[in-house]
Amino acid sequence: DARVTQTPRHKVTEMGQEVTMRCQPILGHNTVFWYRQTMMQGLELLAYFRNRAPLDDSGMPKDRFSAEMPDATLATLKIQPSEPRDSAVYFCASGDGDSSYEQYFGPGTRLTVT
Amino acid sequence: AQKITQTQPGMFVQEKEAVTLDCTYDTSDPSYGLFWYKQPSSGEMIFLIYQGSYDQQNATEGRYSLNFQKARKSANLVISASQLGDSAMYFCAMREVNYGGSQGNLIFGKGTKLSVKP
Repeated sequence: DARVTQTPRHKVTEMGQEVTMRCQPILGHNTVFWYRQTMMQGLELLAYFRNRAPLDDSGMPKDRFSAEMPDATLATLKIQPSEPRDSAVYFCASGDGDSSYEQYFGPGTRLTVT
Repeated sequence: AQKITQTQPGMFVQEKEAVTLDCTYDTSDPSYGLFWYKQPSSGEMIFLIYQGSYDQQNATEGRYSLNFQKARKSANLVISASQLGDSAMYFCAMREVNYGGSQGNLIFGKGTKLSVKP
């Protein structure tokens, strides 16, 4: 049963600290998405990769957020420095952009910045 | 402009009854996909059903069906024979085909919280 995995599942950190979230997409999937969920904004796209290349990161605050795919099995989302307003659940999703419409979501990382 | 609108913040339904969750969308792209996801209190996002803009028939998956009315730009989710386990947040989402037809990102509505009463 292939699944998207995300680590850590929960993270509590102090303002100003660096936070790195990791995602392992389903093997063979060539599209990876990072979404953020907050009560106020709902679910919104942060970044989108296809074949490891970033296609859209317009939803991401560039001054503090960065997203990368060092290889096909790992996607990272980094926040430096973190702020209380970054507190949210961060979801990674992957899909096979060539043959399937479905996006498979990971369990999410719940981030709390104090 | 909001692209996905879910006008019902919360809904109640009696167990074993059917319920319709509303979703309207806005796009100028002739090719798009519509999705429904379920998010239980545990937080995971569970894919329920998909409807392509060119699909002639309404999508169905078990107790879930999508009432697709293209001219009205609506994609309502119908859950038949509600169960207590259906209590959750439900999100409608749209994917516009872009980047040369490859799978694009999802645009989500604000969600509807469904509560099933015993």
